Amino acid sequence: DIQMTQSPSSLSASVGDRVTITCRASQSISNYLNWYQQKPGKAPKLLIYAASSLQDGVPSRFSGSGSGTDFTLTISNLQPEDFATYSCQQSFSSFYSFGQGTKLYIK
Amino acid sequence: EVQLLESGGGLVQPGGSLRLSCAASKFTFTNYAMNWVRQAPGKGLEWVALIVPSGGGTNYADSVKGRFTISRDNSKNMLFLQMYSLRAEDTATYYCAKGPGMVRGIGGRSIVDKGNGMDVWGQGTTVTVSS
Repeated sequence: DIQMTQSPSSLSASVGDRVTITCRASQSISNYLNWYQQKPGKAPKLLIYAASSLQDGVPSRFSGSGSGTDFTLTISNLQPEDFATYSCQQSFSSFYSFGQGTKLYIK
Repeated sequence: EVQLLESGGGLVQPGGSLRLSCAASKFTFTNYAMNWVRQAPGKGLEWVALIVPSGGGTNYADSVKGRFTISRDNSKNMLFLQMYSLRAEDTATYYCAKGPGMVRGIGGRSIVDKGNGMDVWGQGTTVTVSS
């Protein structure tokens, strides 16, 4: 099984900041890495697929990069609606797995 | 609007069974793999199971293998999760999620598209396993 590890587990930032969340896979997954945003009481929302492709309707302040085992999600110019939990998910194997999540708090 | 609507959650005793349903609308159901993903209270997302469009291929997380069965009725655009031998640790909100689609792999065989994520999610249904 492929294990996904995110860091940090939580992060505080201010509106207008730029933040980076990291996701590491236990083996190479090429670029088969997706990022989701989840707000309390709501379903997850796909933000980025294939490591760096922005899902339709997602603001361009979200970006993703990486390949192999190391990936990053960057949010530029943080907006109030961006404070949420972010999770990575590998789709290299059809036995999917998620990272444990990173909660982004308002400072 | 593309929509997924789960139902069937509830309170069940340890060792009991429950069947979750997910009604899909406004997309070509037979073009996509479908998934169940769960989230225990205060915890992260855990993928549970995947089924290919034909229903002829399924994958399960180790934590549910042998106890849960994913299935679909393409004539009714419905996805199901039959859960047996439920444990306290199965307590969670269960989401159905659409995708990915299928692509041609080596030898022309249809395979799940690795390069896409789960792009539509239902609102979730809550399963509580407790005596």
